[in-house]
Amino acid sequence: RKEVEQDPGPFNVPEGATVAFNCTYSNSASQSFFWYRQDCRKEPKLLMSVYSSGNEDGRFTAQLNRASQYISLLIRDSKLSDSATYLCVVSFSGSARQLTFGSGTQLTVLP
Amino acid sequence: DTAVSQTPKYLVTQMGNDKSIKCEQNLGHDTMYWYKQDSKKFLKIMFSYNNKELIINETVPNRFSPKSPDKAHLNLHINSLELGDSAVYFCASSREISYGYTFGSGTRLTVV
Repeated sequence: RKEVEQDPGPFNVPEGATVAFNCTYSNSASQSFFWYRQDCRKEPKLLMSVYSSGNEDGRFTAQLNRASQYISLLIRDSKLSDSATYLCVVSFSGSARQLTFGSGTQLTVLP
Repeated sequence: DTAVSQTPKYLVTQMGNDKSIKCEQNLGHDTMYWYKQDSKKFLKIMFSYNNKELIINETVPNRFSPKSPDKAHLNLHINSLELGDSAVYFCASSREISYGYTFGSGTRLTVV
C-alpha cells in the first residue's frame, strides 16, 4: 500500500464549479499535512497546511480526519488559473524529518 | 532574489558521463533535500542534510553522492550516468518540517 494515496484524475471541470480532492495516508502517527500545487514543468509550491480543525484560505478549504487517515481539499468557484496538479503531502513520525508526497491529482478548469 | 536556486536548469548529457547539480538557499533553513521526479510525476526523496550532516539516505545507487559544504548549499554529483537517471531533480529546504518545504525550480536531466 502506498504511504500517501490520491485519485490521479484527471478532473476536468467548468469555470465556477466546485471540486473536491481526497487523499489517504497509511501512518496513523503522521504529524504534518499539506496541499501543494504543481504547475506543468514547474516546482511544487505550498498551497496550504492542513490543520485538525480544518482551515480555509479564500476559495480553498482543507479538512483532516485523523481517525480515518483522510485529507481533503475543496476548491470553490474554480478559475482557469487553478488548473494544475495538486499534491497531498504528509510528514511521518520519527526523526527523519521528511515529507512524503502523493502522486498528485490533475485538475483542468475549462472555459 | 531567488530563495532556493538550482543550476543548471537543463542538463543534456551522454550515458557514462559524470555531472553535478548545485543548490543554494538564502532562507537560513537548516535542512536541505534532494528529490527525484520521474516521468510519472512521482516525487521521491533521495537525500537530506541537516546543518551539513546527512540525515536521510534513501535507497539510491551509490553513483549518486550528495555534498553539503555548508548549510546553505547541497550539491548532487552523479557518476556514470544511465538512461534511467533522466528525470527532474528538485532541491528543497525547510526551517522546520511543520512549515513544509520551499523548492528550487528543478533541474531537468536528460541522458542520451
